[in-house]
Amino acid sequence: DQQVKQNSPSLSVQEGRISILNCDYTNSMFDYFLWYKKYPAEGPTFLISISSIKDKNEDGRFTVFLNKSAKHLSLHIVPSQPGDSAVYFCAASDSNYQLIWGAGTKLIIKP
Amino acid sequence: GAGVSQSPSNKVTEKGKDVELRCDPISGHTALYWYRQRLGQGLEFLIYFQGNSAPDKSGLPSDRFSAERTGESVSTLTIQRTQQEDSAVYLCASSTGQPGVEKLFFGSGTQLSVL
Repeated sequence: DQQVKQNSPSLSVQEGRISILNCDYTNSMFDYFLWYKKYPAEGPTFLISISSIKDKNEDGRFTVFLNKSAKHLSLHIVPSQPGDSAVYFCAASDSNYQLIWGAGTKLIIKP
Repeated sequence: GAGVSQSPSNKVTEKGKDVELRCDPISGHTALYWYRQRLGQGLEFLIYFQGNSAPDKSGLPSDRFSAERTGESVSTLTIQRTQQEDSAVYLCASSTGQPGVEKLFFGSGTQLSVL
């Protein structure tokens, strides 16, 4: 059973618009959430994280929202740029050392 | 280089052969992970090393898989008698502290193809 789900395999967004990537989880013990970005033939790179004691964390064009009651988090990218085209992975941790990863969402930014 | 280095970047092997994958973590990083990513799927945890502690091997899918790490440096992941289902990208990552909350730094991975 998947504890972290990214239900959209892909998402296409016009350049300059907002990209919203979603992630759902089932384990209420998760207390830390991270987003990683992956370009082809490269390893994932850390993008942004959020602790369960918060509901929002912002870093430049990237904002992560956490809704604990719904067990849902989302990553907002605004404005979207061509360089944002990549696969985005959501990951969750229960403060153990293991991260549980979603399957990823491929974001395509159209010029 | 300052990043995590993995070699080879690509490996094609015949079913039944053994393969060895190498990872050089960032200097000073005490934590080291191996992950596997099959096509269209998320990252699957394989094994975790933290300093001189006994590794967590709970993610290894079978006894054909093993990994070693020398101190806080190089790690090798060995797959014996490879099967076609072993085909995947094998990613190594390292971290400074408590990896559940500290960000991981990944290598570019080894693309393993078992024919």
